[in-house]
Amino acid sequence: QKEVEQNSGPLSVPEGAIASLNCTYSDRGSQSFFWYRQYSGKSPELIMSIYSNGDKEDGRFTAQLNKASQYVSLLIRDSQPSDSATYLCAHSSNSGYALNFGKGTSLLVTP
Amino acid sequence: EPEVTQTPSHQVTQMGQEVILRCVPISNHLYFYWYRQILGQKVEFLVSFYNNEISEKSEIFDDQFSVERPDGSNFTLKIRSTKLEDSAMYFCASSGQVDEQYFGPGTRLTVT
Repeated sequence: QKEVEQNSGPLSVPEGAIASLNCTYSDRGSQSFFWYRQYSGKSPELIMSIYSNGDKEDGRFTAQLNKASQYVSLLIRDSQPSDSATYLCAHSSNSGYALNFGKGTSLLVTP
Repeated sequence: EPEVTQTPSHQVTQMGQEVILRCVPISNHLYFYWYRQILGQKVEFLVSFYNNEISEKSEIFDDQFSVERPDGSNFTLKIRSTKLEDSAMYFCASSGQVDEQYFGPGTRLTVT
């Protein structure tokens, strides 16, 4: 069973701080990596995609990928209370586009 | 901004009944997917669909499940004989030329 591991949290950060969310995966054939945000009772919302090693920045979000270590992370700068949600790490493999999700990390940004 | 839509938002059915969940993917997308999320658990892949045929399916997607694109806009998931354990949120997703998948709001299926 190819797993995606995330700390379930909750991760609590004060407003304005940097939130750091981590994910490890076991499938070395993984090609594409994604971070989704899921508010309670809602559907996953795509935040970032990353395909190659290194950093990718989009606004307050930075995704980091290290395929050798099988590790992907998401940094959220200037965290806001509206960022409070569950963040899902997912990847697809070289055999297709099916996404394999982690269980998610719950983030709480306190005012 | 284009979005995936799903109907109904909530479906209640009795065990053994057939249900059809409907989705309208983003109009220029080519790949369509169904996922489910049992309450408190992770999102699980069911099936992907491309060029009018199934391209991938998971172990969950057994003979009681089927998918169809009956026309140019709708994408459906049929569960033939529902079981209690089919109770979950069912999400439709679609993607274009790249594999960034956009999810619909989901259908909550409750089997009693």
